[in-house]
Amino acid sequence: KAGVTQTPRYLIKTRGQQVTLSCSPISGHRSVSWYQQTPGQGLQFLFEYFSETQRNKGNFPGRFSGRQFSNSRSEMNVSTLELGDSALYLCASSFRTGREETQYFGPGTRLLVL
Amino acid sequence: AQSVAQPEDQVNVAEGNPLTVKCTYSVSGNPYLFWYVQYPNRGLQFLLKYITGDNLVKGSYGFEAEFNKSQTSFHLKKPSALVSDSALYFCAVPRQPRQLTFGSGTQLTVLP
Repeated sequence: KAGVTQTPRYLIKTRGQQVTLSCSPISGHRSVSWYQQTPGQGLQFLFEYFSETQRNKGNFPGRFSGRQFSNSRSEMNVSTLELGDSALYLCASSFRTGREETQYFGPGTRLLVL
Repeated sequence: AQSVAQPEDQVNVAEGNPLTVKCTYSVSGNPYLFWYVQYPNRGLQFLLKYITGDNLVKGSYGFEAEFNKSQTSFHLKKPSALVSDSALYFCAVPRQPRQLTFGSGTQLTVLP
């Protein structure tokens, strides 16, 4: 099976702009989660989608939003970009079997805000 | 609240020697614990997980982890380190299903 794919891999934006990142989960996986990784804050959970519904949300401002499509692909959007939004954005997909649910991560999108 | 801690920012070990990357946890109920590895400019790769059962969990690339309930630890180990094992290692616990809380990460450097 192909792994989780994320596009684009690298992105440079300026303050005030908005950006959309895309994630395609592993085939058959219906849950997609997004994380932000920065040197200062480490790995932080953004939100999680299942069957086109947001089920959990981390402690991030409303400028961060997402959605999931019927084919389980997901996008996240950041509006009014700030310098502090520069980070590696990771997407993970998972599939529940019994009590087990392991998240598999994509390669990430590295966003630089100038 | 579910949390994990990685007490060492950096671990150096000589190639061929055993390696240990430490993780302690604080969870309510039965813990589900994970280890992930991140190579430069890459995403996280799943190594292994503890759900229940045997305290010694075997994972990918020859790694294993020892679950110790009395010490609330879940240390990652490998009997013989390779230079290619040099990477950033994270332990993690689910705060909720599909919402992982990660440790701060440990940079492992294997010296040739």
